[in-house]
Amino acid sequence: AQSVTQLGSHVSVSEGALVLLRCNYSSSVPPYLFWYVQYPNQGLQLLLKYTTGATLVKGINGFEAEFKKSETSFHLTKPSAHMSDAAEYFCAVRLANAGGTSYGKLTFGQGTILTVHP
Amino acid sequence: DGGITQSPKYLFRKEGQNVTLSCEQNLNHDAMYWYRQDPGQGLRLIYYSQIVNDFQKGDIAEGYSVSREKKESFPLTVTSAQKNPTAFYLCASSPLEGVTEAFFGQGTRLTVV
Repeated sequence: AQSVTQLGSHVSVSEGALVLLRCNYSSSVPPYLFWYVQYPNQGLQLLLKYTTGATLVKGINGFEAEFKKSETSFHLTKPSAHMSDAAEYFCAVRLANAGGTSYGKLTFGQGTILTVHP
Repeated sequence: DGGITQSPKYLFRKEGQNVTLSCEQNLNHDAMYWYRQDPGQGLRLIYYSQIVNDFQKGDIAEGYSVSREKKESFPLTVTSAQKNPTAFYLCASSPLEGVTEAFFGQGTRLTVV
């Protein structure tokens, strides 16, 4: 069975500081990995995704994440935080079958609330 | 514009009443999903469907029911058997082929009093 663990339910940074949100996964087969962002009382918006190929993935709003198979990690980073980055962030995993197409449901981490101080 | 529409955004019901949450998509996606969100628990899968007239239980299906009579629609009924129904409910859809993410609606906040 697949699972996702996000280390730290709350992360607080100053505006302009580095953002690092941690995500570790477990999966018996190669996974596809996603980061989503959620603003209060809204749905989830995709930030970025890893499927195959380059392990450093760039997403929207200046975020990026690196897939490290040996560490089973997919941490999300942004060099310089902005006040508008304050939101809740979810890491998710989806299984890939042998043919390379994705199927089935997403498994989500518990979420990390990012607070940005002026 | 293509997307997923959930309605209503806020819903209040008395304890013991069944309530149905609407989810419609015009993305021509085969798969649709219902998630429940509670603070600090992430998103938990209630039901999902990969084809019309077929659906599977997720991790927390007890007290919920769904139908999939049309490709575009996947309504969720929260029954009186659900012991703690107050939550934020999110509907999502995705294609079955290719490597793509799930697309989410704006959610329905259900409060049972």
